[in-house]
Amino acid sequence: AQSVTQLGSHVSVSEGALVLLRCNYSSSVPPYLFWYVQYPNQGLQLLLKYTSAATLVKGINGFEAEFKKSETSFHLTKPSAHMSDAAEYFCAVSEEGTGRRALTFGSGTRLQVQP
Amino acid sequence: EPEVTQTPSHQVTQMGQEVILRCVPISNHLYFYWYRQILGQKVEFLVSFYNNEISEKSEIFDDQFSVERPDGSNFTLKIRSTKLEDSAMYFCASSLAGGGTDTQYFGPGTRLTVL
Repeated sequence: AQSVTQLGSHVSVSEGALVLLRCNYSSSVPPYLFWYVQYPNQGLQLLLKYTSAATLVKGINGFEAEFKKSETSFHLTKPSAHMSDAAEYFCAVSEEGTGRRALTFGSGTRLQVQP
Repeated sequence: EPEVTQTPSHQVTQMGQEVILRCVPISNHLYFYWYRQILGQKVEFLVSFYNNEISEKSEIFDDQFSVERPDGSNFTLKIRSTKLEDSAMYFCASSLAGGGTDTQYFGPGTRLTVL
């Protein structure tokens, strides 16, 4: 069975500061990993995904994430936060080669950006 | 840019009533999904649908739930006799193909409130 843990339900940073949102996964087979963002009153939008190619994945809006198998982590970073980054961020996992398409989500991290 | 749409945005119903949540997936997508998020909890997978049949479902998706693609554009989730615990945000998603790496595109959600 697969699972995702997001450490920190709320993260607050200053505008221009580094953003680090943590995600750890558990999977019995090689995982595919995703980060989604949800702005108020909108659906989940894909930021980036890891699909067993490069371990450092670049996404939209300046975000990137690094897959670290030894740490079972897929943390999301952005060098400099912008006010428009304030949203809820979800890490998700699906399993390679099992035929299962269901995404398993973490509980989400709400990012606040202070001026 | 094509997007998944959902109607209504908010549905209020009495316990025991039937509700139908509607989704219009992206037009050339072949796989369709329903997820739900109870307030304060994780986004949970309910069901996936391909070629006019359910391809995968979770333990949440019991006999009270059904899905249908009644025409070439709509995808619906029916809850036959709603319970208080069905109150949640319901997200529809679609993907072009069904591989584990394929991006699932999410709609904005329908907030279901059962009184």
